[in-house]
Amino acid sequence: EAGVTQFPSHSVIEKGQTVTLRCDPISGHDNLYWYRRVMGKEIKFLLHFVKESKQDESGMPNNRFLAERTGGTYSTLKVQPAELEDSGVYFCASSQDRGYEQYFGPGTRLTVT
Amino acid sequence: EDQVTQSPEALRLQEGESSSLNCSYTVSGLRGLFWYRQDPGKGPEFLFTLYSAGEEKEKERLKATLTKKESFLHITAPKPEDSATYLCAVSSYGANSKLTFGKGITLSVRP
Repeated sequence: EAGVTQFPSHSVIEKGQTVTLRCDPISGHDNLYWYRRVMGKEIKFLLHFVKESKQDESGMPNNRFLAERTGGTYSTLKVQPAELEDSGVYFCASSQDRGYEQYFGPGTRLTVT
Repeated sequence: EDQVTQSPEALRLQEGESSSLNCSYTVSGLRGLFWYRQDPGKGPEFLFTLYSAGEEKEKERLKATLTKKESFLHITAPKPEDSATYLCAVSSYGANSKLTFGKGITLSVRP
């Protein structure tokens, strides 16, 4: 069974540019989560999809971040325009049911210069 | 607000030297406590889920236990390949199903 995949693995962009991160969850997992780890800090929740619906987006830092999950399959996270403080590692995770173990992807390292 | 504190921040062991990693938590109502292992440049790898105080789970050299305030990850006779960062996270009924993570414990096992 294929795990959670993320693309790209690393992105370097300049302040003010736009970046789109992609996550493909484990097949059959309705729950998809985005998390972020900023250097020196713990991994923090961004948002949660159940199929194509946003269940909880309480962790989204501001309106420069837009997440979508069209058709309830893969998800994208767009940052527009990017700021220096957006640098970090963005993780995607999926789970079969709420409250059960979440399986993480390898992450996308975003560097904003 | 859910909180997770892990200690120590880093731990260096000699191969075969058993020890324990601590995870203290504060939640409104525990749905589950999760242990993950993370290797450099990779995503967290799921290890265990514990749901209620008194529960224990084992996998190879690792054993996780849970009380109402903390969880321990016991490592018995560790090997160099056990070197990694170990993350503790909680999910509470008051916070949907999101995970709240601790900062992690970096374990180094010397041969």
